[in-house]
Formats: sequence, structure tokens, C-alpha cells
Amino acid sequence: EAGVAQSPRYKIIEKRQSVAFWCNPISGHATLYWYQQILGQGPKLLIQFQNNGVVDDSQLPKDRFSAERLKGVDSTLKIQPAKLEDSAVYLCASSPMSGSYGYTFGSGTRLTVV
Amino acid sequence: AQKVTQAQTEISVVEKEDVTLDCVYETRDTTYYLFWYKQPPSGELVFLIRRNSFDEQNEISGRYSWNFQKSTSSFNFTITASQVVDSAVYFCALSEVHQAGTALIFGKGTTLSVSS
Repeated sequence: EAGVAQSPRYKIIEKRQSVAFWCNPISGHATLYWYQQILGQGPKLLIQFQNNGVVDDSQLPKDRFSAERLKGVDSTLKIQPAKLEDSAVYLCASSPMSGSYGYTFGSGTRLTVV
Repeated sequence: AQKVTQAQTEISVVEKEDVTLDCVYETRDTTYYLFWYKQPPSGELVFLIRRNSFDEQNEISGRYSWNFQKSTSSFNFTITASQVVDSAVYFCALSEVHQAGTALIFGKGTTLSVSS
């Protein structure tokens, strides 16, 4: 089966600019996650979707980050405006209805804010 | 609060040595899942194992083995006869079963360097 697809692979932007990342999960996976991985740290959950509804966005900096999952399939994560501390790898993951059955991660988007 | 601690930041070994990566977790739930992931230099997270809180049997898969001890809240990972290809960052993670699904809580990772 095809894996979790993410694009772009790399992105360099200046601070205060906006950026968007795209994720296409494994077909049929109802749950989609966006994680942020800062260099030297473990991934941290930003937002979790169940189909097209938000389950948990408690750690999403909502003043600058937004995410949507239209039609319960693809998802887009946006940062506007970006700050230097947003430099990180943004990982998308998907799982069947319950994440306890396993997660599949995409290759991530490495964002550098200069 | 849920927490995963990987106290070893970096480990360096020579090929064929055995190495154990430690993981200690905190949770108030009685039902939870523990995971290990490998992150090679290419960046993707590779799933290694999932263990539920009711199954304390140790598991072996080739050169990999895992020791789960609820009494000490630990889920340690051992690589036997390490190889250069084992060089990567290894993450331990915890997920708690909630009504609407689960999300992973990761430790900070242990960087394993295996030299020839």
C-alpha cells in the first residue's frame, strides 16, 4: 500500500512569511496527525483529526498555525506568520480509527525560517 | 501527566556490541500502548514495536528484543550484535486510549552511533 505522502520535502522562508504543508494519508485511515519535531527533540503533537473533525488541537499555536482536513482525506497545515522558532520538521501520520493499532508516518517537511 | 523519559542522549558502540536503550514512562491510565520508533538520518520514523499494557511478555525479533516491566514503568530496547546500519535516533513513545482516539507522546530520543 502507498505510504503517507507529504510535500514539500524542504522549505526555506523568511520570518513573517506564510507557508503551507500538505499531507495525503494512507487510504482508508480515519485518523490524521500533525507533529512538530524540533531538532534534538521528539515529535510533539500539534493537531489530531478524526475524519474531518478536530479531536485535539490543544498544543497548536492557534494565533499563527491552522490546519484543515477537507472531506476527511488530505490535510493542510499552515503557518502565518512564521517565526524563527518554527524551524522544525513537520510530520504527518495516519492510523485506522484507533491509533492504538499503529501509526504510519510520512517523510516530513523540513522547514527553515531565516 | 503522561511523560516518556529517555535518559540516554547519545550512545556510541563498536559493531557487534550489544546495546540497551532505556525508556521510562509515566501514565495514570491502566490501558496504554508503548512503541519504539527508529529515525535514520533520512528522517522518516520507522515503526519497530507496539506493546499494550496488559502484555508484559518480552519480545524478540531477530537482533532486537524488548523488556517491558510495569513494576518499574520501563520498556527497554536491546540490540544484540549491533551493526553500522543500526545507527539512528531511537524514540520510545506512549499512547493512552481515549474515547476519540490516541496520540503519541514521545521521549526525546537516544542517538545510537555504531562504528565499524
